[in-house]
Amino acid sequence: GALVYQYPRRTICKSGTSMRMECQAVGFQATSVAWYRQSPQKTFELIALSTVNSAIKYEQNFTQEKFPISHPNLSFSSMTVLNAYLEDRGLYLCGARMGGQDTQYFGPGTRLLVL
Amino acid sequence: GDSVTQTEGLVTLTEGLPVMLNCTYQTIYSNPFLFWYVQHLNESPRLLLKSFTDNKRTEHQGFHATLHKSSSSFHLQKSSAQLSDSALYYCALIRTQVVGQLTFGRGTRLQVYA
Repeated sequence: GALVYQYPRRTICKSGTSMRMECQAVGFQATSVAWYRQSPQKTFELIALSTVNSAIKYEQNFTQEKFPISHPNLSFSSMTVLNAYLEDRGLYLCGARMGGQDTQYFGPGTRLLVL
Repeated sequence: GDSVTQTEGLVTLTEGLPVMLNCTYQTIYSNPFLFWYVQHLNESPRLLLKSFTDNKRTEHQGFHATLHKSSSSFHLQKSSAQLSDSALYYCALIRTQVVGQLTFGRGTRLQVYA
């Protein structure tokens, strides 16, 4: 079956530092990977959509300078949160999808705490 | 842009009663896919239902929903709530199979009591 792994599952970083999170698709080819953030008391905000062999599209309020993403192959994507501050805390989810399919499979998320 | 509206933030029910969680959407695209995801405490969202076909009922694990394009709705229903149904439920939309990102509603927390 289709599985998506994310690591780390939970991380704590000091304010102003950066942390990298990873997303791996197993059992299918993730032609597109969407990164979301679920902040406390909020729904899921789309950060960016990464499609292999295409430019990464960032949503309003999210930039490549703050959330650089790498999607080097059909099974792996990573995103870094640069200069993390309190407002960056939350659960970061990656949703991976195979080209031509409608279902997005989610990883367990990386929970970021910022001190 | 696209939007998904879930009007209830919290729904509380006694076990055995029927469940209905509302979902309406807005998109300029004529053939969106609609999804219901369920998220239990400290877990990631899990796909519960999905639909693409107008006026066709889709079912899974006792839940069902019908996409009605005329009213832009995709309400989630279950005939009899169980304690284990307590969770966050998100309605989401994807424009077409080509576009990769989901637009989520704000979520409805379902709390079932004995």
